[in-house]
Amino acid sequence: GALVYQYPRRTICKSGTSMRMECQAVGFQATSVAWYRQSPQKTFELIALSTVNSAIKYEQNFTQEKFPISHPNLSFSSMTVLNAYLEDRGLYLCGARGAQDTQYFGPGTRLLVL
Amino acid sequence: QQNVQQSPESLIVPEGARTSLNCTFSDSASQYFWWYRQHSGKAPKALMSIFSNGEKEEGRFTIHLNKASLHFSLHIRDSQPSDSALYLCAVSFYAQGLTFGLGTRVSVFP
Repeated sequence: GALVYQYPRRTICKSGTSMRMECQAVGFQATSVAWYRQSPQKTFELIALSTVNSAIKYEQNFTQEKFPISHPNLSFSSMTVLNAYLEDRGLYLCGARGAQDTQYFGPGTRLLVL
Repeated sequence: QQNVQQSPESLIVPEGARTSLNCTFSDSASQYFWWYRQHSGKAPKALMSIFSNGEKEEGRFTIHLNKASLHFSLHIRDSQPSDSALYLCAVSFYAQGLTFGLGTRVSVFP
């Protein structure tokens, strides 16, 4: 079956520091990877959509300078949160797109900022 | 910018009853309509999707789409305690990211 792994599951970082999270698709070839953030009391917001060999498309309010993404192949993607502050805390989900346009989600990386 | 709204915010239903969830969207050109289910502490999992107006049934679940009304819904027949979860509707264009609603929390009691 199609599975998506995310690492780490939970991380704590000091305000102003950066942290990197990873996403691995297993059992299928992901044609694209989308990163989402669920902030406290909010739904999942799309951060960016990454397609291998294409430019990464960032949504309004999210930039490459703040959330650089690496997507070297069809099964792996990573995103870094640079200079994390309190407003960056939340659950970061990776959604890998498989057949019939279905997005399979990983369990998420929960980021706490002190 | 796409705006997706869900109602109700929460629902408590007895086992065996029918559960109905609603989702409205703002962009009439939207192409794909999804329902995801998220159990506590787990990733959202795709439940059903629909791409054209009408109805689609899979087991106890039925999804209904009316693009003209900017509305789609999920109906659960013979609700079970295992159906208790957060239900998220999402809308997208082909090969694009999803725009989610805030979710409806469903609790099914025995």
